[in-house]
Amino acid sequence: DAGVIQSPRHEVTEMGQEVTLRCKPISGHDYLFWYRQTMMRGLELLIYFNNNVPIDDSGMPEDRFSAKMPNASFSTLKIQPSEPRDSAVYFCASSLGGVSEKLFFGSGTQLSVL
Amino acid sequence: SQQGEEDPQALSIQEGENATMNCSYKTSINNLQWYRQNSGRGLVHLILIRSNEREKHSGRLRVTLDTSKKSSSLLITASRAADTASYFCATALFTTSGTYKYIFGTGTRLKVLA
Repeated sequence: DAGVIQSPRHEVTEMGQEVTLRCKPISGHDYLFWYRQTMMRGLELLIYFNNNVPIDDSGMPEDRFSAKMPNASFSTLKIQPSEPRDSAVYFCASSLGGVSEKLFFGSGTQLSVL
Repeated sequence: SQQGEEDPQALSIQEGENATMNCSYKTSINNLQWYRQNSGRGLVHLILIRSNEREKHSGRLRVTLDTSKKSSSLLITASRAADTASYFCATALFTTSGTYKYIFGTGTRLKVLA
C-alpha cells in the first residue's frame, strides 16, 4: 500500500486566497484525522471522520476552515479566506478504527500564507 | 490545551547512551501511544501500551505507564544517531459519540550526537 497520500506537498499563497488540501487515506481505513502542526501550538486535532461522517470538528479554528469526505478514499481541508496565521504543516492520518489502532500519517502539506 | 505534556522539551545525548522522555496526561485513557517524527516528515507509530499494562518492550524501546500518576515514559536504550527525531505521546480519548480521538503531546526533541 502507498500509505496516506497528501497533496500538495508545499503550498504558498497570498492572504485572502482559497486553499484546498487533499488527502487519500489507506484503503480500508475507516477513520480519517486532520491535524495542524506549529511550533507554538504543537499538533492540534482539527477534525476527524468515521466512515466518511464528520464526528468532531471542535478543533477547527474558525468558520474559514471546512473539511469534507465525499467518499472513503478522499478528503479535503479548505481554508477560505486564508490568513498568515494559518501557516503551518497540515497532516492527514488514517486508522483502521477502534481505540487500539495506530494512526498512519501522510507526509503533510507545508502551507505558507503571505 | 494539549492532553499530553512532555518533558524534557529537548534532549541531547551521546551515541550509546540511553534517552528517557516523559509524558503526562489529564484524563482517563484507554491506551497511550508513542510516535516519532523525523524532520520534515509525518509521524510514525512506535509502540502502544494499554491502560491495564504497566510496561512494554519493543526492540530498544521500553515504555512504562502509571495510570495513578497519569504519566508514561519512553526509554530508548543504546541510542544511535538515527534516533535523532521528535517523539510524541498520544492518548486515545473516548468521546460521547462512541468514537475515539487521538490527542498528541507537545513532544520531546531528541538529538543523538555521534
